[in-house]
Order: sequence, then C-alpha cells, then structure tokens
Amino acid sequence: DQQVKQNSPSLSVQEGRISILNCDYTNSMFDYFLWYKKYPAEGPTFLISISSIKDKNEDGRFTVFLNKSAKHLSLHIVPSQPGDSAVYFCAASPFINAGGTSYGKLTFGQGTILTVHP
Amino acid sequence: GAVVSQHPSRVICKSGTSVKIECRSLDFQATTMFWYRQFPKQSLMLMATSNEGSKATYEQGVEKDKFLINHASLTLSTLTVTSAHPEDSSFYICSAWDREGGYTFGSGTRLTVV
Repeated sequence: DQQVKQNSPSLSVQEGRISILNCDYTNSMFDYFLWYKKYPAEGPTFLISISSIKDKNEDGRFTVFLNKSAKHLSLHIVPSQPGDSAVYFCAASPFINAGGTSYGKLTFGQGTILTVHP
Repeated sequence: GAVVSQHPSRVICKSGTSVKIECRSLDFQATTMFWYRQFPKQSLMLMATSNEGSKATYEQGVEKDKFLINHASLTLSTLTVTSAHPEDSSFYICSAWDREGGYTFGSGTRLTVV
C-alpha cells in the first residue's frame, strides 16, 4: 500500500525553464510534507517543507504547493539549473517535526529523476 | 548545520557473515534515529526506529533478529546485518532527529553480499 506516490519516474527540463514535480498521498493523517534531493550513493538532502495549515511555501527557487482536498503536493523549481539534476523524493509525516515535541515517521514516495539539460 | 556521519560508505561481505553499520550525529544529540533501506529505483523504506537506551521498534516485515539495532548513546546508533545473504544487498541510510533540526540523513551505506 503506497501511501505516498510520485507517479512520474522521470522528468526532463531545459535549463532556465520551470520544473514541476508532483506527489500524491492517500493517508489523511499526514500533516507535514517534505521534499528531499538525492544523488546516487548519497543520503537525501532536505530541500523544503510545508505544514498542512499552509498551501504554499517558498524558499528561493523552490516553491512547494499543497492541495489538501486533492491530497496533492508539487515542487516547483524555477529557473531550473543543470545542478538540480538528481532524484527528488517527497515525504509525509503525521506530525510537525522541527521545533515540535515529538517526531512522526516519514513515508517516502518512489522518487522522480529530474534531468535539467543545458 | 546538523551533520550525520554514516560509516562505512561501501562494504562487500561474504554470505553468512555479519556487517555493522555506524551512524553518528556529529554536532547534536539525537534521541531518535531511523534506519532505512533503499532498493534500486525504489523508495526509502523505514526499517526501524531506535531511541537511545531502549529497544528499537521495527516496521512490519523487518526481521529484528537479522537486523540488530543498538542505540547506546545519544550520538551513536548501529545496525548489524547478521548472517547476511545476497538478498540483503541494498543501500542502507540512517537518519537522526532532533527538535531543532528535524531530520538529518547520513550519506548511506552500499552493502553487497557475495
């Protein structure tokens, strides 16, 4: 039972254009969502997160949008750069983690390979 | 920022032997550490959650006798794959959690059992 799904295994984008990575979830208990970037043979690196009380969070070139009613979130990267080429994972948790008094286990999607062409 | 060191990054072992993977939080104390496993082109699957000084909590389907987890201090957790078999070959990643930084991941360990 895949509770977090990234239905696009790969995405190819031209440098300077927008990259849009999508993620769907099924568990209504998820309250906090994160995006991670991962290179082969390395651990994931945190990119950006969003709490369910928001519908948008922006950090530089990265913006995450959350549509709770559709149980859908997306990561926008604009402008895309060749250095953004990596695997992107979305993850969901039932709790807010940073600054909170407890943690929630992360459930990851399958990942989307982003390739940004010069 | 918070740093989690995972060692070794790569290990090849013979079938039937045991392998220990270490995960250290370098500049913070992690009361909770997580161990994940990733198969090629697949998601990170949580194997177990370990809390300092107590027994690990394993996810359904993960053999606790095969994957021994020890979290003896606030900065160190170890995963021992006992009697390893080729099907245990995978990429293992640890993560540490603290209240200020949230989740920080190690760089992973590529285990190959021959």
